[in-house]
Amino acid sequence: EDQVTQSPEALRLQEGESSSLNCSYTVSGLRGLFWYRQDPGKGPEFLFTLYSAGEEKEKERLKATLTKKESFLHITAPKPEDSATYLCAVGGLTGGGNKLTFGTGTQLKVEL
Amino acid sequence: GAGVSQSPSNKVTEKGKDVELRCDPISGHTALYWYRQSLGQGLEFLIYFQGNSAPDKSGLPSDRFSAERTGGSVSTLTIQRTQQEDSAVYLCASSPITSSDTQYFGPGTRLTVL
Repeated sequence: EDQVTQSPEALRLQEGESSSLNCSYTVSGLRGLFWYRQDPGKGPEFLFTLYSAGEEKEKERLKATLTKKESFLHITAPKPEDSATYLCAVGGLTGGGNKLTFGTGTQLKVEL
Repeated sequence: GAGVSQSPSNKVTEKGKDVELRCDPISGHTALYWYRQSLGQGLEFLIYFQGNSAPDKSGLPSDRFSAERTGGSVSTLTIQRTQQEDSAVYLCASSPITSSDTQYFGPGTRLTVL
């Protein structure tokens, strides 16, 4: 059974204070690892897909990296508008289709 | 272009009543998924449709839950004889094809069972 664990559960940063969110996973065969951002009362918003260990992707202040056991979402010089819950999910080879297994998320708060 | 849309955005019902939740996927997306997000829980897979293939119903929690997808587009998730534990946000997602394609989510329907 695919499993995803995210840490920390909650993170409070000062504006400009860089940090990283962790996503540890076990999967029968990785088809993709996905990062989403979710604002209160809204659906998850797609950020990145990573397919193989060593892959990295960047978007503005966010950078996602992937190893065979975990992924990191690095946030450089965050701003208050980066405050949200960040969700990690994996798609595995078993189970068919492309259903995703999600972690419970990291709730990020960036303060002035 | 337009994203995934869901209706209603909020639904309050009484225990024992049936409810229908609607999902309109992104045009041209052949795969459609339903997930459930309960307070403090990760998103939980419910059901998956791909083209004309038989749906993957492996995530449905009980036989009170069912879903249809008509014409390869709009989908309806039906919950019969609702229970308080069914209260959650129900999210729909679509993707162009299977196998590693990114899923794009709608805004969700918040269901409250009194």
